[in-house]
This record gives sequence, structure tokens and C-alpha cells, in this order.
Amino acid sequence: EPEVTQTPSHQVTQMGQEVILRCVPISNHLYFYWYRQILGQKVEFLVSFYNNEISEKSEIFDDQFSVERPDGSNFTLKIRSTKLEDSAMYFCASSEAWVQPQHFGDGTRLSIL
Amino acid sequence: DQQVKQNSPSLSVQEGRISILNCDYTNSMFDYFLWYKKYPAEGPTFLISISSIKDKNEDGRFTVFLNKSAKHLSLHIVPSQPGDSAVYFCAAISGGGADGLTFGKGTHLIIQP
Repeated sequence: EPEVTQTPSHQVTQMGQEVILRCVPISNHLYFYWYRQILGQKVEFLVSFYNNEISEKSEIFDDQFSVERPDGSNFTLKIRSTKLEDSAMYFCASSEAWVQPQHFGDGTRLSIL
Repeated sequence: DQQVKQNSPSLSVQEGRISILNCDYTNSMFDYFLWYKKYPAEGPTFLISISSIKDKNEDGRFTVFLNKSAKHLSLHIVPSQPGDSAVYFCAAISGGGADGLTFGKGTHLIIQP
């Protein structure tokens, strides 16, 4: 069964450094998303992406965040200058259409020191 | 702002019996609802969904019921199996869907032998 893959599984970064989280969505999906889950809290929407541009973003997704689809398979989330509060699990998801089930990767655990 | 609420943090059910997980929502704009299952160190796995034009959807052992007037949905698992032990998330989406899923906090289902 096709799946969403995320790398790395765990990223440890010093505060203030840039970090890039990578995702390979399911190949025939056109809609992509990033979510995060801070320990003990809900899964929260960050951003949705379609046709090479951001469709919607939450208030969490400020100027420190950016997303990119650099080629036909990868979808990345960049945090420009990480803060302690960026420590969380980051999940990538993809779907065939907006109102269709989103399929999630296993996440990247980001730890900011 | 809890637009999707799962009021039971945990639920214990005997193997072979029915598990009923509940979810309430407040946003009347939600028109598509999903249930996800999550094991530790994995991403959420899509289980079943329901559109607001329906009141029931069934897939094997899983049935989702939607009561729009009460803004309530439930997931029934019959019969419950040990592999069903996981955290179950209710999620909802509105309108075009580009603004991502809104998740509940999850219910930890424990199936006892």
C-alpha cells in the first residue's frame, strides 16, 4: 500500500539554526499538508499546499516557516530560525483531493536545544 | 478553542465486545468527518470517514454515526480485538478543505483480553 514517508525520523538542532524536514507524499496525490503535535497536545494544522503554492496556513505558520516542492516527489518544511517552542512531532500528509482522507507519514520528532 | 472534543481520554473494553468512541464538535461549518487511529511512534492512520449528507458509514468492523442536530459523532468497533488498542482521533474539515483537519485530543482505547 502506498505511503507517505518522512525523513529524518528525529532531528536535534540548536536554537536559532535552520532545519528542513522532508516528506515524500503518495505519488498520485496532489494536495499536501504539514501538521505538528507538541507533546501532550492536539495535532494542529500548519499549512496546505496545492499546485505549487500555499492554499491555507494557520496562525502558527508565521514568517519563520516556509514550504516547498523542489521536485516532483519531495515536499519540505523549513523553519528558518528555530525556537525552543518549535520542539514537536511534525507530520506530513497528502490526499487526492481537498475533501478526501489525508494520509499521514510517521512524523519527524524535532528537538530544539 | 476546542472545536472538536473527545471528552474521554481513555476507554477500556473487553475483547470481543463493542467499543464506542465519541466525539462532539461546535463548528457548524464542518461537513466531513474522519476517524484516525494512532500507535506510538507512528503517524495517524485513516480508518473511516463520513460526509455530512449521511448519518452512517460502515466499513467492516468499523461504523461511524453522525448526528448533525446534536453535533455528535461516534465510532463503533465490533467486535473489538487486541490490535485495536491505540489512540483514536476524531477530525473534521469544513468547506473547501484547504484549511486542514481540526483534530480532537484523542481517546486511548485499551482492549483487555
